[in-house]
Amino acid sequence: DAGVIQSPRHEVTEMGQEVTLRCKPISGHDYLFWYRQTMMRGLELLIYFNNNVPIDDSGMPEDRFSAKMPNASFSTLKIQPSEPRDSAVYFCASSSTGRDQNEQFFGPGTRLTVL
Amino acid sequence: AQSVTQLDSQVPVFEEAPVELRCNYSSSVSVYLFWYVQYPNQGLQLLLKYLSGSTLVKGINGFEAEFNKSQTSFHLRKPSVHISDTAEYFCAVSETSYDKVIFGPGTSLSVIP
Repeated sequence: DAGVIQSPRHEVTEMGQEVTLRCKPISGHDYLFWYRQTMMRGLELLIYFNNNVPIDDSGMPEDRFSAKMPNASFSTLKIQPSEPRDSAVYFCASSSTGRDQNEQFFGPGTRLTVL
Repeated sequence: AQSVTQLDSQVPVFEEAPVELRCNYSSSVSVYLFWYVQYPNQGLQLLLKYLSGSTLVKGINGFEAEFNKSQTSFHLRKPSVHISDTAEYFCAVSETSYDKVIFGPGTSLSVIP
């Protein structure tokens, strides 16, 4: 298995621009998580899905952030408009409660820099 | 509500010395416990996990952890560290009947040659 795939690996954009981060979970996993990691705040859970349905988005910081999962093999996290304080590493992770009980498999992350 | 505490934000240790990274959690129900490692510029990888059974859990790279229910702790240990163990270590907890995993703030382990 290729593991969790994220793209792009690095993104540099200017304040006010729209940013879209992409994630392909491990095949067969029914949970997908989006995290944000910064030095100041550590690892924060933004939102997670079960069977493509958002379950908990209480970690999404503002209305500028939105996430979708149109099918079991693809999810996006969108920031519109982006701000410098959104600069962070964004991780996607997937898991399956059927096996590996709650073990999350992380992607390599997308390093976002907003100028 | 669940929470995870990692009291040591940074732990420097000399190469080949033993190390213990501390983790305490709070939860009112049975839990699963995890340790993840993050190497520089990489995502998190699972080191080991406790689901049930033996309280001593062995993981990859020579790490082990012991679950202590009475002290609500899950400390990570390695008898002899290597330079390549330099990384960020995260303790995490999940309720057995819930989906979310709560991560601790992390401990930065620096192995000194």
